[in-house]
Amino acid sequence: SQTIHQWPATLVQPVGSPLSLECTVEGTSNPNLYWYRQAAGRGLQLLFYSVGIGQISSEVPQNLSASRPQDRQFILSSKKLLLSDSGFYLCASIRGPSYNEQFFGPGTRLTVL
Amino acid sequence: QKEVEQDPGPLSVPEGAIVSLNCTYSNSAFQYFMWYRQYSRKGPELLMYTYSSGNKEDGRFTAQVDKSSKYISLFIRDSQPSDSATYLCAMSVYGGSQGNLIFGKGTKLSVKP
Repeated sequence: SQTIHQWPATLVQPVGSPLSLECTVEGTSNPNLYWYRQAAGRGLQLLFYSVGIGQISSEVPQNLSASRPQDRQFILSSKKLLLSDSGFYLCASIRGPSYNEQFFGPGTRLTVL
Repeated sequence: QKEVEQDPGPLSVPEGAIVSLNCTYSNSAFQYFMWYRQYSRKGPELLMYTYSSGNKEDGRFTAQVDKSSKYISLFIRDSQPSDSATYLCAMSVYGGSQGNLIFGKGTKLSVKP
């Protein structure tokens, strides 16, 4: 069965510091991968999605970027964090033929101080 | 008007009660409707997945879609303390492998023993 791993689980970073969050998927090949952010009172917001190695689509313009260096690895990065980057970051993939059937990783809780 | 509206609650019910969770939406192109359940500090998990109008039942859960009113519901019968979680509705236009889910902000449910 498919499993998503994310690390770190929690992170506290100062404003202006860099960020790297990692997501890896087991049990499938060439998955669609998604990065979401869940901020208090704002719901789940799609940040990036990828249909293959090196293919990244950005949904929201901001100081974050994503990369997919390997088939089952998806990385979310920032060069300089802002206070507004705080939130719960979730990596997701799809189980089955439809993107509607997404399954999520355990998430990374990021606090920017 | 936001694309998907969901009452954030919190909603508190006694064990055994019937729970009704609802979302309204504005985009008449939505055809696929999902309910995700999210426990505290965890990633969401897909609970129900329906296409177009009608009802779908799975155990104690029933999803209902009324496209004419742009209104969807999730009913939980014989609610249990283990149902305490945040419930997110999600919608999409397409059913293929590429596309975007639009999420509601979630309703927090607490079932008291």
